[in-house]
Amino acid sequence: DAKTTQPNSMESNEEEPVHLPCNHSTISGTDYIHWYRQLPSQGPEYVIHGLTSNVNNRMASLAIAEDRKSSTLILHRATLRDAAVYYCILTTLRETSGSRLTFGEGTQLTVNP
Amino acid sequence: DTEVTQTPKHLVMGMTNKKSLKCEQHMGHRAMYWYKQKAKKPPELMFVYSYEKLSINESVPSRFSPECPNSSLLNLHLHALQPEDSALYLCASSLDRAEVYGYTFGSGTRLTVV
Repeated sequence: DAKTTQPNSMESNEEEPVHLPCNHSTISGTDYIHWYRQLPSQGPEYVIHGLTSNVNNRMASLAIAEDRKSSTLILHRATLRDAAVYYCILTTLRETSGSRLTFGEGTQLTVNP
Repeated sequence: DTEVTQTPKHLVMGMTNKKSLKCEQHMGHRAMYWYKQKAKKPPELMFVYSYEKLSINESVPSRFSPECPNSSLLNLHLHALQPEDSALYLCASSLDRAEVYGYTFGSGTRLTVV
């Protein structure tokens, strides 16, 4: 699977929007872009994913560049509860189930009150 | 039910002990996964089961033995572990085409080997 590059850490203030970038310059046409987050002492939690078009759900928005070589996770109003490690991961569409989800180092998001 | 349940939450075991970690889901997912996570590091894939058959083993030492008795249950049998095996062990599950639908993780078992 192709690699992703994320900043090690970011800071935000509570109730402000947060834009978390991810670069994936070697993405292939069958790679989906997934975002997960991990709060302290918990398992990773699904946030959002997409293939080509921008996506919105109740947690966040995913903006995907036209050439798909980068994406941005947008938290519209950060809360203290959003402080976590955010992982941007590419997964390749396969014909069988049981694929790999390979985590990089992720971005540690700190939210200031 | 939209959860992956892992038991126990915490486990302390000696190096000569045999123990098992359990993972259960009732979402109809046919792929299940074991990950290992050391402190301050990302999760690392250990095993993948697809339709109750082992499909991926990431060169994990034989002291870790996975088992998938049915489509809802995944076990990880532990034997003769070392202190460096102390970590958070995470279970996950997914539908077919997980790339399209995403993965669901449990909250993990924190294992300490003494």
